[in-house]
Amino acid sequence: QVQLVQSGAEVKNPGASVKVSCKASGYTFTDFYMHWVRQAPGQGLEWMGWINPNNGDTSYAQNFQGRVTVTRDTSISTAYVELSRLRSDDTAMYYCTSHYHTTGYFSFALWGQGTVVTVSS
Amino acid sequence: QSALTQPPSASGSPGQSVTISCTGTSRDVGGYNYVSWYQQLPGKAPKLIIYDVSNRPSGVPDRFSGSKSGNTASLTVSGLLAEDEADYYCSSFAGNSYVFGTGTKVTVL
Repeated sequence: QVQLVQSGAEVKNPGASVKVSCKASGYTFTDFYMHWVRQAPGQGLEWMGWINPNNGDTSYAQNFQGRVTVTRDTSISTAYVELSRLRSDDTAMYYCTSHYHTTGYFSFALWGQGTVVTVSS
Repeated sequence: QSALTQPPSASGSPGQSVTISCTGTSRDVGGYNYVSWYQQLPGKAPKLIIYDVSNRPSGVPDRFSGSKSGNTASLTVSGLLAEDEADYYCSSFAGNSYVFGTGTKVTVL
């Protein structure tokens, strides 16, 4: 079964960092870029960045430059997103999402279940 | 990178059609045939319903169709059903990044 399974909810203080994981199964992890997308409560989707699991290359949205890091561990087919210097407006649902060969390489066919990150003192 | 512009809401009666626009620039929507559309039900992850402007993934009804002209892409839902009531987002490749639309809430009257 092709799926992405994310780590559990997190509660963090302002200024702290959070790291969310996303484990892929049912397909070859290194075949497709992994992306991270977030959605603040009641708001729209926001693309954060991607990683090429094959070689570790990354690209980040300008809004997150310097605060976000996406990594991967190919031995366990898992991608990570780490967001630092957290602010209250980073409170959101964080999704990992990937392409899939049946729907091309520029759309997001596979989605994790989401991880709630709450930033509050 | 600014979000793509979508109308906040759209509505139609069962059986009618509704069309949602998604306006970007030549650096995203207009520059590539890589616009995709997502349906998001409350409390759920988004679901891909259109990729590469006008292609439907397996299992998506042909009531959903996509098109593009210049810097604006469109999603049409024909023969509206109650189950189509959801939020819809467009997305476009933009070189080395991606951008999503502002989202449209579709209400079935």
